[in-house]
Amino acid sequence: AQKITQTQPGMFVQEKEAVTLDCTYDTSDQSYGLFWYKQPSSGEMIFLIYQGSYDEQNATEGRYSLNFQKARKSANLVISASQLGDSAMYFCAMRDSDRGSTLGRLYFGRGTQLTVWP
Amino acid sequence: GAGVSQSPRYKVAKRGQDVALRCDPISGHVSLFWYQQALGQGPEFLTYFQNEAQLDKSGLPSDRFFAERPEGSVSTLKIQRTQQEDSAVYLCASSLISVRETQYFGPGTRLLVL
Repeated sequence: AQKITQTQPGMFVQEKEAVTLDCTYDTSDQSYGLFWYKQPSSGEMIFLIYQGSYDEQNATEGRYSLNFQKARKSANLVISASQLGDSAMYFCAMRDSDRGSTLGRLYFGRGTQLTVWP
Repeated sequence: GAGVSQSPRYKVAKRGQDVALRCDPISGHVSLFWYQQALGQGPEFLTYFQNEAQLDKSGLPSDRFFAERPEGSVSTLKIQRTQQEDSAVYLCASSLISVRETQYFGPGTRLLVL
């Protein structure tokens, strides 16, 4: 079963505008972590932001914020004031089990290709 | 070094050849992960080390895949008798101590098997 779903294969946004990238997840664990990574064409996965399942406030890191809706099991990434350099593939990922054999591994979605145009 | 490094960045192999992919984690990072990313997909977990101990290898797709980290720092992912379906980007990630911490990724090795 797919643990992370990203339904937007591609998104377009004009420079300086805000954009939301969708992510829904599936887990029965109470303790889990949600991550967003950026992957430019160079291939490196760049960590952007983290949200723990027990965190009551939405995570923010500069122009990135995570809209965490636990009941809906969604963890959308909001990028404010988009820049041309934001054009890349964005991946949502989850680390679920706090114990057992799957401890530590990340489950990734299929990604959303963001294009920022001038 | 400042980040996770991987070598080679690109590797072309003929089907049936053995390949070895190297990962240098961030200095002092205890946990090390390998992921495989097929074209157009998100990364998928292969294996995990804590220091030199391989604690989880359940993601390795076949017994042709083997990983080691003998001194708890540099890790090598070896693929024997490569097949075309092994063509992918192989990503290495490390985290400081606990597996609960953020994983930082290297640039990956792009493997093409002809």
